[in-house]
Amino acid sequence: KNEVEQSPQNLTAQEGEFITINCSYSVGISALHWLQQHPGGGIVSLFMLSSGKKKHGRLIATINIQEKHSSLHITASHPRDSAVYICAVVLSADKLIFGTGTRLQVFP
Amino acid sequence: DAGVTQSPTHLIKTRGQQVTLRCSPKSGHDTVSWYQQALGQGPQFIFQYYEEEERQRGNFPDRFSGHQFPNYSSELNVNALLLGDSALYLCASAAQLNYGYTFGSGTRLTVV
Repeated sequence: KNEVEQSPQNLTAQEGEFITINCSYSVGISALHWLQQHPGGGIVSLFMLSSGKKKHGRLIATINIQEKHSSLHITASHPRDSAVYICAVVLSADKLIFGTGTRLQVFP
Repeated sequence: DAGVTQSPTHLIKTRGQQVTLRCSPKSGHDTVSWYQQALGQGPQFIFQYYEEEERQRGNFPDRFSGHQFPNYSSELNVNALLLGDSALYLCASAAQLNYGYTFGSGTRLTVV
């Protein structure tokens, strides 16, 4: 079993829909990253969370440390949101463990 | 303020050859980590460098080696390339004791 599990693996949506991507982990962590990866490979860090909730534009990330679970929400989704979204947890000594990613496609 | 810079962006090598990939960390960052991402998979941790020393290592063979220079830049070397080494190699930097990582755009290595 992977230490970081994401769901769903693939997600399609119509423009304007509300999207949720989930991340569960089984190890103790110092922080959690939500990352966005577009075709071509470059990774952008969207959020780093250690507790609670963060919001940036149409993106919202939450984390529940006790339940070892985090969610990434996209409100009013747009085709430009199409990408792979990766959850990565930070262990002690700054080691990152990545989930396998959620491939999101938003259609007009 | 430049982020993480990786070079080259794309590379094609022949099986058995050796390759060197380079990473310049974000200004103010002193820790560099390398990841391998096979097609359709999440990134896998290769190793991490801090103070010019390998601090942690993932489950990769000794063919994968690295180096960190006094200016905190880093190299990833892979010897005796295999077809299975074809992947996107990502570099991420962070400031010590700060969990905020900045990622480079990656080097796509193709072994033929």
